[in-house]
Amino acid sequence: DAKTTQPPSMDCAEGRAANLPCNHSTISGNEYVYWYRQIHSQGPQYIIHGLKNNETNEMASLIITEDRKSSTLILPHATLRDTAVYYCIVRVTTSGAGSYQLTFGKGTKLSVIP
Amino acid sequence: NAGVMQNPRHLVRRRGQEARLRCSPMKGHSHVYWYRQLPEEGLKFMVYLQKENIIDESGMPKERFSAEFPKEGPSILRIQQVVRGDSAAYFCASSPTGANQPQHFGDGTRLSIL
Repeated sequence: DAKTTQPPSMDCAEGRAANLPCNHSTISGNEYVYWYRQIHSQGPQYIIHGLKNNETNEMASLIITEDRKSSTLILPHATLRDTAVYYCIVRVTTSGAGSYQLTFGKGTKLSVIP
Repeated sequence: NAGVMQNPRHLVRRRGQEARLRCSPMKGHSHVYWYRQLPEEGLKFMVYLQKENIIDESGMPKERFSAEFPKEGPSILRIQQVVRGDSAAYFCASSPTGANQPQHFGDGTRLSIL
């Protein structure tokens, strides 16, 4: 899996949009971008994933640049409950050894401030 | 995270004892993954199983650790002759199929070795 680079920490005011960047400059054409978050003492929570096109669900939006070398996770209206560590992960789409693993880096610690 | 059930949530063992961690996947999911999170570190993949089969155990320590996912019942991660270094949070995830499907995590078992 390609490596990702994320800022170690970010702050966001409650009610504002939180934009979390991720660089994955070595991503291959057959790799998805996944986002998870981990709230303290809980298991990772799946947020969203995408390959080429931008994606949106009830939790967030995922914007992937045209060259796919970076992406941004957008939480449109951050709340205090969104305070967590956010992980950007790239993962191959094809079956085979190692393709099932999610490789978690250090992520971005997002603090939503009242 | 409520869909994937792990028990116990907390487990205390003395050095040399055995630890058994259980994971019931989400309904309709037949693929199970185990990860370990050491204090202040990210999650590390351990093993991937389908019903009655180990598909990828590349992240499992060579000794003392084993995993199974029987035809009936939960997946079990077994650690024999535990040592202090086994103290960690162990997370289980499940997905309906293998590659290209998001993995959904339980809230983990926190193992403490006295």
